[in-house]
Amino acid sequence: SQTIHQWPATLVQPVGSPLSLECTVEGTSNPNLYWYRQAAGRGLQLLFYSVGIGQISSEVPQNLSASRPQDRQFILSSKKLLLSDSGFYLCAWRPGQGNYEQYFGPGTRLTVT
Amino acid sequence: KNEVEQSPQNLTAQEGEFITINCSYSVGISALHWLQQHPGGGIVSLFMLSSGKKKHGRLIATINIQEKHSSLHITASHPRDSAVYICAVRAKETSGSRLTFGEGTQLTVNP
Repeated sequence: SQTIHQWPATLVQPVGSPLSLECTVEGTSNPNLYWYRQAAGRGLQLLFYSVGIGQISSEVPQNLSASRPQDRQFILSSKKLLLSDSGFYLCAWRPGQGNYEQYFGPGTRLTVT
Repeated sequence: KNEVEQSPQNLTAQEGEFITINCSYSVGISALHWLQQHPGGGIVSLFMLSSGKKKHGRLIATINIQEKHSSLHITASHPRDSAVYICAVRAKETSGSRLTFGEGTQLTVNP
């Protein structure tokens, strides 16, 4: 069966510090991968998605970046965090082809102080 | 105007009541998803549908493609159903099969 992991679960970082959040998927190959952010009291916002290794599409211009160094690994990064980067970050995956559900990871709660 | 609109934004019910959450969208879609987000933040997929009706236990989801509208019903509601319910659509011909989300409906079921 397939599982999705995210870490860390919670993170408190000062403004201006770097960020690296990691997401890995097990039990599938060539998945579509997604990073979402949910600010407090707001809906889910798609940040990045990837349909293959090294292929990243950005939905919202900001100081975040994403990389997919391996088929089942998706990394969200920032060189310098802003206060507005605080939120709940969710990674998700779905099979690459066909009409399938999307499966979400447990999320990382980031607080920028 | 958002592509996906949910109503109501907040809903409080007594245990046992029948609950309906509505979702309207403005684009042609290939699928609509209903998701459940618990207070800890984790998201679970409840339904994915492109036509008709689906049922899992006490949950029923319906969709009317012509009217661009979907409803999520909960029969015999229970306090453990308290969560945020999110509607999301996958627009036709969207690259990466990405989803567009509604703002969510906060449901509280009181004992």
